[in-house]
Amino acid sequence: DAGVIQSPRHEVTEMGQEVTLRCKPISGHDYLFWYRQTMMRGLELLIYFNNNVPIDDSGMPEDRFSAKMPNASFSTLKIQPSEPRDSAVYFCASSLSGNGNTIYFGEGSWLTVV
Amino acid sequence: QQQVKQSPQSLIVQKGGISIINCAYENTAFDYFPWYQQFPGKGPALLIAIRPDVSEKKEGRFTISFNKSAKQFSLHIMDSQPGDSATYFCAAWGNKLVFGAGTILRVKS
Repeated sequence: DAGVIQSPRHEVTEMGQEVTLRCKPISGHDYLFWYRQTMMRGLELLIYFNNNVPIDDSGMPEDRFSAKMPNASFSTLKIQPSEPRDSAVYFCASSLSGNGNTIYFGEGSWLTVV
Repeated sequence: QQQVKQSPQSLIVQKGGISIINCAYENTAFDYFPWYQQFPGKGPALLIAIRPDVSEKKEGRFTISFNKSAKQFSLHIMDSQPGDSATYFCAAWGNKLVFGAGTILRVKS
C-alpha cells in the first residue's frame, strides 16, 4: 500500500498568498484527519472527515483555514490569506472506521510563510 | 486545553538502559491509548497501543503499563538503542485522537 500521500512536501510562500495542501488517504479508509504540528502547540487536530463529510472542525484556527474532501481519495487544506504564524508542519492522516489503532499519517507538508 | 499530559519533555538514556515516558488523562470516555514514534522529517507512526481493560501490553522491547484507576499510562523501552532516538507521543482516542506534548528521547551509545 502506498500510504497517505501529501503534497507539497515543502512550501515557502509570502504572507498574504493562498496556500493549498493536498492529501490522498489510504484506499478504503473512511476517516481523514488534518493535524498541525508546531513546537509551541504540538500536534493539534484541525478537522476530520468521515465518508467525505466534515465531522468536527472545531480545531480550525480561523476563517482563513478551510478544508474540503470532494471524494474518498482526495482532500485539501487551504489557507487564505496565509500569515507567518501559519508556519508549521501539516499532517494528513487516515483511518478505517475511526478506530484509533488504524490511524496512519503522511509525511507532512512543511509550510513556511515569510 | 491539553487533555493528555505527558512527561518528561526530554529524556537522555544510556544504551541498554530503560526509557520511561509517562502520560495522564482526565476524560474517562477515552477508550484507546496508542503511542506514536516520530523521527525527524517523518510523520508519527503507531508504535504500540492498549485498551483500558488491559493493565499491560508488551511488544518486543516496548511495554505499555496502564493504571485505569489513576488514569495514567506509561511507555517503557527496554534495552534502549540509539535507533530508538525519536520523539514519542502518547495519545488518547474518544471520538478523535488527542496527543500529549511529546517526549524527545536520546539514547547515548
